[in-house]
Amino acid sequence: SQTIHQWPATLVQPVGSPLSLECTVEGTSNPNLYWYRQAAGRGLQLLFYSIGIDQISSEVPQNLSASRPQDRQFILSSKKLLLSDSGFYLCAWSRDRANTEAFFGQGTRLTVV
Amino acid sequence: GEDVEQSLFLSVREGDSSVINCTYTDSSSTYLYWYKQEPGAGLQLLTYIFSNMDMKQDQRLTVLLNKKDKHLSLRIADTQTGDSAIYFCAEIPSGTYKYIFGTGTRLKVLA
Repeated sequence: SQTIHQWPATLVQPVGSPLSLECTVEGTSNPNLYWYRQAAGRGLQLLFYSIGIDQISSEVPQNLSASRPQDRQFILSSKKLLLSDSGFYLCAWSRDRANTEAFFGQGTRLTVV
Repeated sequence: GEDVEQSLFLSVREGDSSVINCTYTDSSSTYLYWYKQEPGAGLQLLTYIFSNMDMKQDQRLTVLLNKKDKHLSLRIADTQTGDSAIYFCAEIPSGTYKYIFGTGTRLKVLA
């Protein structure tokens, strides 16, 4: 069966520090991968999605970047965090075809102080 | 555009029906989805409807789709306290792999 792991579950980081959130998927190959951010009252905002290794689309201009060094690994990074980067970050995957279910990780609560 | 809108809050009494509404702007989406988010957790798929359908029923859940008005609704019959969560509608515009989610509706069920 397929599983998705996302860590850490919670993170408190000072302004200006770097960030690395990791997401891995097991039990499938060539998944589509996604990073979302959930801010209070703003729903889920798509940050990045990837349909293959080194194929990453950025949806909104921001202080974050994403990388996919392996087929089933998706990393969200920042060189210098801002207060506005605080939020709940969700990784998700779907099968390599359109119109299928998206499976979500348990999320990372990031607080920038 | 790719905006999916929902009302932010809904409060119902246990045993009543809940209706959560969603409007979307991209008429090319082939499937439309409803996801549920428990507190502090990821999202789980509840149900989905194919765009050539008007209605889909799945146990206590009924999905209605008005494609002309780009309006989607989720009805939960006999709402229970365990149904308290945030509900998101979502679409995938045709030709993309991007799931576009609504703002989410926080459902609170009062005992």
